[in-house]
Amino acid sequence: QVTLKESGPALVKHKQTLTLTCSFSGFSLSTSGMRLAWIRQPPGKALEWLARIDWDDEKVYNTSVRTRLTISKDTSKNQVVLTLTNMDPVDTGTYYCARIPPDSSGWVDLWGRGILVTVSS
Amino acid sequence: SFVLTQPPSVSVAPGETAIIPCGRDSIGATSVHWYQQKPGQAPVLVIYYNFDRPSGIPERFSGSNSGNTATLTISRVEAGDAADYYCQVWDNDDDHPVFGGGTKLTVL
Repeated sequence: QVTLKESGPALVKHKQTLTLTCSFSGFSLSTSGMRLAWIRQPPGKALEWLARIDWDDEKVYNTSVRTRLTISKDTSKNQVVLTLTNMDPVDTGTYYCARIPPDSSGWVDLWGRGILVTVSS
Repeated sequence: SFVLTQPPSVSVAPGETAIIPCGRDSIGATSVHWYQQKPGQAPVLVIYYNFDRPSGIPERFSGSNSGNTATLTISRVEAGDAADYYCQVWDNDDDHPVFGGGTKLTVL
């Protein structure tokens, strides 16, 4: 079964660092062309792409939060980790882990259930 | 990056056809994908490559893309189709996905 699952804290304080883990199963991030992304959604608002990491360890970040983001992978553990520093209440939202399959024009074919992160002021 | 423009809301009666547009200059030259998101749930891919449907998505869902507008069409709308719908393309310059602002489909 192919799944993605996000884990991490539900509540962080202003200026703290958020660390989220995406644990996946049923596929390998070592497969050529495979990509995993983090996408977030503030309450009642649209989806916003944050970062992605590829099978070859290429990393691409949303320029609006680039200086605060780090994405990494542990292929042996089937995990991808996202860190977002200096958290602010505007960072409150649901954070999704998402798979972008090989040989696609960039669609997401699999989403995690998401994790709601609230930043307290 | 660029912006994909969607109307905030579309309303339709059951059994009618819902048309949800997604606009951008020359969007017809790119591949557009569509997601359905019901309250409290993660998005689900309903259309990829402009008009292809993943397995399990009803034939009532169709897509088209030409000129400056891509369109998601839902025929014979059912109450269960009520959701937010997002279009998405790939930004080839910055190498990342771009999402539209979303359209809330209300079934009257």
